[in-house]
Amino acid sequence: AQSVTQPDIHITVSEGASLELRCNYSYGATPYLFWYVQSPGQGLQLLLKYFSGDTLVQGIKGFEAEFKRSQSSFNLRKPSVHWSDAAEYFCAVGANTGKLIFGQGTTLQVKP
Amino acid sequence: GAGVSQSPSNKVTEKGKDVELRCDPISGHTALYWYRQSLGQGLEFLIYFQGNSAPDKSGLPSDRFSAERTGGSVSTLTIQRTQQEDSAVYLCASSLGGGRGGYEQYFGPGTRLTVT
Repeated sequence: AQSVTQPDIHITVSEGASLELRCNYSYGATPYLFWYVQSPGQGLQLLLKYFSGDTLVQGIKGFEAEFKRSQSSFNLRKPSVHWSDAAEYFCAVGANTGKLIFGQGTTLQVKP
Repeated sequence: GAGVSQSPSNKVTEKGKDVELRCDPISGHTALYWYRQSLGQGLEFLIYFQGNSAPDKSGLPSDRFSAERTGGSVSTLTIQRTQQEDSAVYLCASSLGGGRGGYEQYFGPGTRLTVT
C-alpha cells in the first residue's frame, strides 16, 4: 500500500541552526514526491517537488530535499532556519490519479 | 491571479443536519481534489475530478458524503446527516491536469466544519 511516514511529530531548532525533516515513503512505482508547508491558519503551500532527474531538488524559501531511492526517503533540509519557518510541514507522494497521500506532518518550532 | 477559493470559511452545524461546502478552482485547471484535515486522521484524500471523466470517489468515508463538479469548474461537497466525527477542515485543491502528470496542486484556505 502507498504510504508516507514522517517519524518526527515535533522538532525544535534554534534560529540560525540547520534543519532536516525526515520523510519515508512506500510506493510501488517511481514516486512523485512533494513537501508542503502550512502556517497557522493558512492553506498548504508547495515548497518543492521531485518527479525525475537530479535527486537533489531546490525549492522556495531556501529549502532543498534529496530523493534517495535505496532508502525510500525524501528528507527536507535548510542550512539556516529563520523564525518565520515555524510551521507544520507535510511530505506527500503522488498516486496514479494524482491524488496526494500525506504523512502525518512535522511541527517545527524555532527558538530565538 | 486568483487562487482557489472556498466558502464558507467556517461552518457550525448541529448533528444530523446537511451541509454544503463550495470550492472555486483556479480558472483553466481541469483537475479538482477534496481533502480532509483532522486531528486524529491527518490529511486524507476524499475525491478527485478530472475533466469529464468519472470521479475517483475512493476516499469518501461513507455514503453520507458526496460531491459534484458543475461545468468543469465549481465543486460542491455535501455531507448529509452530519456526525461529530465529521468535524474537520475540508481543503480543496486544483491543478492544470491530473494523473501522473505531476502537476502542482494549489490549495484553498479550507472550510472549518464544526458539528455540535
